[in-house]
Amino acid sequence: DTEVTQTPKHLVMGMTNKKSLKCEQHMGHRAMYWYKQKAKKPPELMFVYSYEKLSINESVPSRFSPECPNSSLLNLHLHALQPEDSALYLCASSQDMGQGFQPQHFGDGTRLSIL
Amino acid sequence: DQQVKQNSPSLSVQEGRISILNCDYTNSMFDYFLWYKKYPAEGPTFLISISSIKDKNEDGRFTVFLNKSAKHLSLHIVPSQPGDSAVYFCAASSFNFGNEKLTFGTGTRLTIIP
Repeated sequence: DTEVTQTPKHLVMGMTNKKSLKCEQHMGHRAMYWYKQKAKKPPELMFVYSYEKLSINESVPSRFSPECPNSSLLNLHLHALQPEDSALYLCASSQDMGQGFQPQHFGDGTRLSIL
Repeated sequence: DQQVKQNSPSLSVQEGRISILNCDYTNSMFDYFLWYKKYPAEGPTFLISISSIKDKNEDGRFTVFLNKSAKHLSLHIVPSQPGDSAVYFCAASSFNFGNEKLTFGTGTRLTIIP
């Protein structure tokens, strides 16, 4: 069982829809991440939140809007997506880096299909 | 620009034998290297890591070796078990103002033959 929970597991949406992906962890981790993974490709970093503040945005288009309402929750708001945005979206979390290196823990992802 | 490469897309190994997965990198500033295992319909699961100042780390059946001069690392699994069949990703960690960034390789699909 994963300790990072992502909902929904699958999402199909049209290009004009607005939807949100949700990620939750209760491990007390203070860094949270969004990754995008296309078929047969490695995960690619999109955003990093550290202590609920956005610290890295890997030049992601504005149709993806992250939000971190509290230390346990991370959302990814989607609007006006394109068919090429269809992918597996993975959330990860990690411990405070002040305690030494800690690996990132991943959720099972949301498989997104844009019609 | 692929900074982390796994040149073998697939590998088949007999059960009980040693599985060796390889990874090459180009950026000498990476601080840690990690291996993740991924089953279909699941997220990557952390397996083992190694600091850039070490050359070996062992955890049970899993051992990671790092050769900094060659910019090469490998994961050894011994003995291999059917449950080890999965896609294995090598990842390299770098830090920017305290924020960690993982760069993944393209993955190697390991199949353990009973």
